[in-house]
Formats: sequence, C-alpha cells, structure tokens
Amino acid sequence: DGGITQSPKYLFRKEGQNVTLSCEQNLNHDAMYWYRQDPGQGLRLIYYSQIVNDFQKGDIAEGYSVSREKKESFPLTVTSAQKNPTAFYLCASSIGSVNYGYTFGSGTRLTVV
Amino acid sequence: AQSVTQLDSQVPVFEEAPVELRCNYSSSVSVYLFWYVQYPNQGLQLLLKYLSGSTLVKGINGFEAEFNKSQTSFHLRKPSVHISDTAEYFCAVSLITGGGNKLTFGTGTQLKVEL
Repeated sequence: DGGITQSPKYLFRKEGQNVTLSCEQNLNHDAMYWYRQDPGQGLRLIYYSQIVNDFQKGDIAEGYSVSREKKESFPLTVTSAQKNPTAFYLCASSIGSVNYGYTFGSGTRLTVV
Repeated sequence: AQSVTQLDSQVPVFEEAPVELRCNYSSSVSVYLFWYVQYPNQGLQLLLKYLSGSTLVKGINGFEAEFNKSQTSFHLRKPSVHISDTAEYFCAVSLITGGGNKLTFGTGTQLKVEL
C-alpha cells in the first residue's frame, strides 16, 4: 500500500546535537512538506519542496535544514541552532496541487534533553 | 497572507448529541478550505474539503461543513457524535492561486465525547 513513512516514531537527543528525521513516500507525489506541531499552536510549516532538488523555507525555518535529492525522500535535520526543538514533527506530501489535500505520515516525537 | 482561526480550543459533548466546531478564515483572495482530524500520536487525516460549487460539503464519518463566504467561515458539524469521534480537528486554508500549494492550519479544536 502507498503511504508516507516517518521514522523513528520517538527520538531522544541531547541538547546541542544535530538530528535527522526521515520521511519517505511511495505515492509518487511531487510535493513534500514538514510541519512542527506544538500544543495549542497547531501546525506550523518548516520547509516544503515542490520538485526534486528544490525547496523553500516555510514560516519557522530557522534552525532546520532539508534536502530533496530523490522524489521519494525529504529528510529534515534539526540543528543545534534550533532553540526549542522538542516537538511533534509531521511530514506530508501532495500530488502537486493542494486541492487534492495532503497525505500525512504518522509523525516523529522529538525530545531534546 | 491567509490565516485561520479556530475559536474553541476544546469542545466537550455528550455521545449522540450534535456538535459544531467553528472555523473562520482571513484572505484577500479566493481560497480552498479543508478539515482534518488527528487521533493521538498520529498524523492528520482529511475529513472533507471545499473547492467550489455547493457550499455544503459532506465528508467521512458523517461530518459535514458549510462554506459561508460572507462570514468567511467553514464550520464543521455532525448531527450525532460517537465516542470514537474524540480527537483533535484542524481547519486549514489554501490560496487558489499564488499560494505555492501550501496549507495554513488553525490551532485545532479538541473534541471530547463523553458518555
């Protein structure tokens, strides 16, 4: 079955370490997105990519980086520059036109100690 | 830029009662509107969407929403809720043109269905 896989589901890191969250899709979708979810704040867009080898900053890109070397993969790196990295991270993809909606992964909960 | 306001952070309701979750949006241009549901520690699932045409949109699990352009609202309703509807619900908006295919989400409404 097609879908989006985010791994790992839970991730613990020490403060000051970079960490990479995986997002893989087999839906043949062109566009991929990373959102951060915090209680009471909804989902905020970190980065998005409409096509391979191209991506744009979202509303809260500081302290994060991404790459899009393959259509299927859109990994997110949380760097030590991100001041408050503990959150639930959601990856999504879409066929290219937003009117079809997004397909979401099941998320990665990152805890920095 | 577009924005979404979900006025109620939590809505408690008894099983089999009707419910309405409110959503208002702000945009200077035409938009698409969506409702998503999220169960604990999971991703979001599309409930329904308004793209054009009839302002009453029916979705999965018995939910429906009505687009009101003059009030810039897209409220979600269900005539009779079930325990299994307990979840967080997000309203989202996207510009029809010039939006870069991005969704802007509201802060969510936690629906708690009680016996």
